[in-house]
Amino acid sequence: DADVTQTPRNRITKTGKRIMLECSQTKGHDRMYWYRQDPGLGLRLIYYSFDVKDINKGEISDGYSVSRQAQAKFSLSLESAIPNQTALYFCATSDLLDREETQYFGPGTRLLVL
Amino acid sequence: DQQVKQNSPSLSVQEGRISILNCDYTNSMFDYFLWYKKYPAEGPTFLISISSIKDKNEDGRFTVFLNKSAKHLSLHIVPSQPGDSAVYFCAASTGNQFYFGTGTSLTVIP
Repeated sequence: DADVTQTPRNRITKTGKRIMLECSQTKGHDRMYWYRQDPGLGLRLIYYSFDVKDINKGEISDGYSVSRQAQAKFSLSLESAIPNQTALYFCATSDLLDREETQYFGPGTRLLVL
Repeated sequence: DQQVKQNSPSLSVQEGRISILNCDYTNSMFDYFLWYKKYPAEGPTFLISISSIKDKNEDGRFTVFLNKSAKHLSLHIVPSQPGDSAVYFCAASTGNQFYFGTGTSLTVIP
């Protein structure tokens, strides 16, 4: 079983619709992240959370919100989807060990907003 | 502004030869650097990392070099194998956030 899972894997939605992407992890990590990948732009950080009560905005948080329901679950919501939110979305987890931190990524969710 | 840059979108190398992937950064506060490998339809997977107190870290066929004065990071793969064909991302961390480059697509030709 995968350590970091994302649902759905693919989603097509229409402009203005609300959509939620879900992430679950079995690694027992406290830190969780949401990124989006666009061609030519690499991965950009949307939101991150260092524990259940901690939520932080990343580089490109506008138009997104998150919920950390439990240590193992971190959801990303698009309240009113727009076409330029079409991208590949990745969830990641990590644990900080002696200031060296490695992130483990889920398989990604491909989102198309029409 | 892109704080981590990979200026080569693609690289082709013959099997058995060395692959060198480069990465430049602008933020002198970065203290930890990583390389990730990504296959199509999968998430990035961790490959190798280096702390800012070191200038070299080696793991099998993979070696990462850090030149802090030049703010430059490189990944050497020797010998390159067809299974190494993937997109490689470099990343840098300040301890709270990770910043990723745009990726280099490596093709190893058999």
